[in-house]
Amino acid sequence: EAQVTQNPRYLITVTGKKLTVTCSQNMNHEYMSWYRQDPGLGLRQIYYSMNVEVTDKGDVPEGYKVSRKEKRNFPLILESPSPNQTSLYFCASSLFRTDNQPQHFGDGTRLSIL
Amino acid sequence: AQKITQTQPGMFVQEKEAVTLDCTYDTSDQSYGLFWYKQPSSGEMIFLIYQGSYDEQNATEGRYSLNFQKARKSANLVISASQLGDSAMYFCAMREVNNNDMRFGAGTRLTVKP
Repeated sequence: EAQVTQNPRYLITVTGKKLTVTCSQNMNHEYMSWYRQDPGLGLRQIYYSMNVEVTDKGDVPEGYKVSRKEKRNFPLILESPSPNQTSLYFCASSLFRTDNQPQHFGDGTRLSIL
Repeated sequence: AQKITQTQPGMFVQEKEAVTLDCTYDTSDQSYGLFWYKQPSSGEMIFLIYQGSYDEQNATEGRYSLNFQKARKSANLVISASQLGDSAMYFCAMREVNNNDMRFGAGTRLTVKP
């Protein structure tokens, strides 16, 4: 089954404790991205990757890191999480970056930073 | 600047009736794509429908259709014969040919009444 898989689905942690949210897709997609969803703001892009070893900042990259060492994986790293990073996070992918490609989303990761 | 505007934070519709969810967008690109996603209470993002800027006909997918008015820069989602399972958040999104991200509106929460 074609899918984007995120883990964990839920995480409660404390300020400053490094965490990684994994994302994997099995569709051989070139383009992958991370979003955060906050009430009233919709989804905002954190980082994106056009292909292996090619990543760039989105609208809200502060406090986050990513890497793309393999085509299928695109982990999101919070080196020193803070309470303002409490949010619902989505990983997404599409075959290419082009304007006619819908993105396929993972099921989301709900992070709570205390 | 906000590129996608959804002016209806919440909407109610009677079961079996049709409902229109509004979306306006801002772009200077000639080539772009417009997308609608559904987010049920379980949280996942489900792709519903796509409209290309050069498409002459309005997109349709089952009970979903997109009322695309290019000159007005609007891409309203029409859901016909509403069902209780249509109760969800709905997001309008845009991909531009000259941008690497997908922009989302703030969303509209639709509630279908029995």
